[in-house]
Amino acid sequence: DGGITQSPKYLFRKEGQNVTLSCEQNLNHDAMYWYRQDPGQGLRLIYYSQIVNDFQKGDIAEGYSVSREKKESFPLTVTSAQKNPTAFYLCASSSRGWPQHFGDGTRLSIL
Amino acid sequence: AQTVTQSQPEMSVQEAETVTLSCTYDTSENNYYLFWYKQPPSRQMILVIRQEAYKQQNATENRFSVNFQKAAKSFSLKISDSQLGDTAMYFCAFIPFNDYKLSFGAGTTVTVRA
Repeated sequence: DGGITQSPKYLFRKEGQNVTLSCEQNLNHDAMYWYRQDPGQGLRLIYYSQIVNDFQKGDIAEGYSVSREKKESFPLTVTSAQKNPTAFYLCASSSRGWPQHFGDGTRLSIL
Repeated sequence: AQTVTQSQPEMSVQEAETVTLSCTYDTSENNYYLFWYKQPPSRQMILVIRQEAYKQQNATENRFSVNFQKAAKSFSLKISDSQLGDTAMYFCAFIPFNDYKLSFGAGTTVTVRA
């Protein structure tokens, strides 16, 4: 079955530590996205990528970094510069103009 | 830039009744797509319904239907015969044709009461 796989489902970060969230898709979609969702809130775009080796900042990119070395993969690193990283993170993919398909999310917490 | 506004933060409906969620958007584009996504307590994002702006006919998917008013830039979602499993946060979203970046509204939390 085609889909988007996010891992891990739960992640804990210590102070001053960088952590990486994985997102893999086998839908052959060109574009991939990372969103942050805080409790009871909507989705805010962190980064997105339309093609391999290219990505653009979204609305809240500070403290985050991404890479797009393969079409199938779009990992997100939450750096120590992100002072309030506790949130639910959703990865998505799409073809141009078509609905985005979402992964099941990663819940990140601070130890 | 596109903005999507959902003016109802929360709504409650009795099981088997109908509820309508409002969504308005602001854009200078003529060709675009509109979507409603559902996010149940499991936090999965599930596509409910999709509407192409060039189609005058309102989209329907089983108990879910939309009222698309292009001139008014309005895209409301009607849930008929509400079921307990419809309890979720609902997001309206907009994307210009041939674009990648989706604009989301802030969401409406729908609670279906038994």
